[in-house]
Amino acid sequence: AQKVTQAQTEISVVEKEDVTLDCVYETRDTTYYLFWYKQPPSGELVFLIRRNSFDEQNEISGRYSWNFQKSTSSFNFTITASQVVDSAVYFCALYPDNFNKFYFGSGTKLNVKP
Amino acid sequence: DTGVSQDPRHKITKRGQNVTFRCDPISEHNRLYWYRQTLGQGPEFLTYFQNEAQLEKSRLLSDRFSAERPKGSFSTLEIQRTEQGDSAMYLCASSLVQGIVNTEAFFGQGTRLTVV
Repeated sequence: AQKVTQAQTEISVVEKEDVTLDCVYETRDTTYYLFWYKQPPSGELVFLIRRNSFDEQNEISGRYSWNFQKSTSSFNFTITASQVVDSAVYFCALYPDNFNKFYFGSGTKLNVKP
Repeated sequence: DTGVSQDPRHKITKRGQNVTFRCDPISEHNRLYWYRQTLGQGPEFLTYFQNEAQLEKSRLLSDRFSAERPKGSFSTLEIQRTEQGDSAMYLCASSLVQGIVNTEAFFGQGTRLTVV
């Protein structure tokens, strides 16, 4: 079965705190892609990052960083020095190559308070 | 190109009416997806097109739903005899598939349907 689990329903932090959003996925495909999307109140899903199953190199982009670990089937996302504008719902998604579609988690709502 | 466009952004309709939504993908993208998102949930797959061919439909897509993508450009999603359970955000996304490589999908802002 293809599945994405985001166990954290809602997280609240104070501005400038670091926050990590967890994502665990299930797939038997050996080739797959993992994504993080941000959904602000306006509703549009904004692409943040894409990783393929053969690339476990972790990445830092500005205040964002990602930790991909195949051994634990996790693809976690960290925001450093959070800002109020980071407040949104964040979705982790799995794209198994043999299924040709995205499987989304249920999302984590991040509230960053000033 | 400014991204994926969806029209309308909001639609309120009475139960039993038909509604049609439009999606204009990024121009060079050959794959187009429709997803549905209900409150507090992640998007759920409905259907996708590769160029003009509809290659897969979810079981969520009952007989009252139909999607088209004539000429492999824009797509329409029609819901006939709407029910209150159809109330949701309908999201369209597009991506470029070249061989076995699929780029990230870019989503539109969605059409929020409310059936009263």
